[in-house]
Amino acid sequence: KAGVTQTPRYLIKTRGQQVTLSCSPISGHRSVSWYQQTPGQGLQFLFEYFSETQRNKGNFPGRFSGRQFSNSRSEMNVSTLELGDSALYLCASSLGGVRSNQPQHFGDGTRLSIL
Amino acid sequence: GIQVEQSPPDLILQEGANSTLRCNFSDSVNNLQWFHQNPWGQLINLFYIPSGTKQNGRLSATTVATERYSLLYISSSQTTDSGVYFCAALLMEYGNKLVFGAGTILRVKS
Repeated sequence: KAGVTQTPRYLIKTRGQQVTLSCSPISGHRSVSWYQQTPGQGLQFLFEYFSETQRNKGNFPGRFSGRQFSNSRSEMNVSTLELGDSALYLCASSLGGVRSNQPQHFGDGTRLSIL
Repeated sequence: GIQVEQSPPDLILQEGANSTLRCNFSDSVNNLQWFHQNPWGQLINLFYIPSGTKQNGRLSATTVATERYSLLYISSSQTTDSGVYFCAALLMEYGNKLVFGAGTILRVKS
C-alpha cells in the first residue's frame, strides 16, 4: 500500500510569490491534515480536510488556504509569500480524521525556502 | 501553559544503552502518538497509544491517561535511532487539534 505522497519535495520561491503544495493520502483515507514545521515554532497544525470539507483550522493568516478533491487528494496554497513561511510542510492522512481513534500517517514533506 | 511537554529536550547515548522519553499533556486525550523524525525530515509513526502499553521490537510505550503522561522506552539503542522524537496529543481544550511537543533530540554514539 502506497504511503502519503507529497509533491514537490523541495521548492524555492521569492517573497510575494504564491505556492501550491500537493498531498495524496493513503488509499482509502478520507482525512488530510497539514502541518508547518519551523525551528522556532516546531510542528504546528494548519488545517484538516475530510471528505472535501475543512473540518478544523489552526492559527494561521488567511494567506494559507487549502482544499480537498473528491479523490481525497489535497492542495495547500500560500499567497504573498514571506520569509517566515520558509518551513517544512507536512501532510498526514488517516481513515477517520484527527478526532477519530486512528493514527495519523505522514508524508515526507515539502521543504519550502523563501528568498 | 504548555499543552504537550516533552523531556528531556536533548539526550546523548552510547550505543547499546537504554533510555526513557517522557511526554506530559495538559488535558485528557483520546489520541496520543509517538513519532520519530529522521535526519531527512521524515516523520515515522511509532505508536498510536492513547492508553495502555505497546511494544514493537526494541521500542515500547506506555500511556497513563488518568495521570496525563506517556513514556517511550528505547532499549539497546542503535545509531539509527538518532533523530527527534515527538509525541502528539489530541487535546479537547484546543479544539480537537493534534498538538505536538517540542521533541526530544536523541544522539546515539557508536
